Amino acid sequence: DTAVSQTPKYLVTQMGNDKSIKCEQNLGHDTMYWYKQDSKKFLKIMFSYNNKELIINETVPNRFSPKSPDKAHLNLHINSLELGDSAVYFCASSLRGGSGYTFGSGTRLTVV
Amino acid sequence: AQRVTQPEKLLSVFKGAPVELKCNYSYSGSPELFWYVQYSRQRLQLLLRHISRESIKGFTADLNKGETSFHLKKPFAQEEDSAMYYCALNSGNTPLVFGKGTRLSVIA
Repeated sequence: DTAVSQTPKYLVTQMGNDKSIKCEQNLGHDTMYWYKQDSKKFLKIMFSYNNKELIINETVPNRFSPKSPDKAHLNLHINSLELGDSAVYFCASSLRGGSGYTFGSGTRLTVV
Repeated sequence: AQRVTQPEKLLSVFKGAPVELKCNYSYSGSPELFWYVQYSRQRLQLLLRHISRESIKGFTADLNKGETSFHLKKPFAQEEDSAMYYCALNSGNTPLVFGKGTRLSVIA
């Protein structure tokens, strides 16, 4: 059983489109995260979310929005995609205040 | 603010040679530090955490609060160790902060 699963694994889309990436965890964790890994392999936090609090990295454009239908899911919706959004997006989960993060396998987004 | 610095973008060593991947951190509180590994096109996996003081795949790391360092070491590198290595810091209430990563290349 995959602990943190992301879909799709690959996403190729045109500039200006709106797309979503889904993330689900079956670990019973209460906090989920989205990280962006750019072409230089730098990992930057975009959002962290539990059922009480959304923490947004202030550098993330508001075209990006997390949506959490329940504790086990944190989807990432992106409006008006730009070339610079091309990256690998990783979802992760943990227990709040806990230190062990479990990562998904990533979604490679390519905007053309 | 928390910061993690990995000074080397790329480290190449020969098989069987010792490896040291450097990590320094900046944090005023009591940090929790980790090493994550990412093999080619795979997910990040936890390699080590400083509180457990264990050795995984022959790697060890010791937290040195005086030098604010958490360097990753292995006495004899193997080809399968080739990967991206990320040092990360957890301050408890904020998401894990990662260094920029070091690509380790082990040459046969």
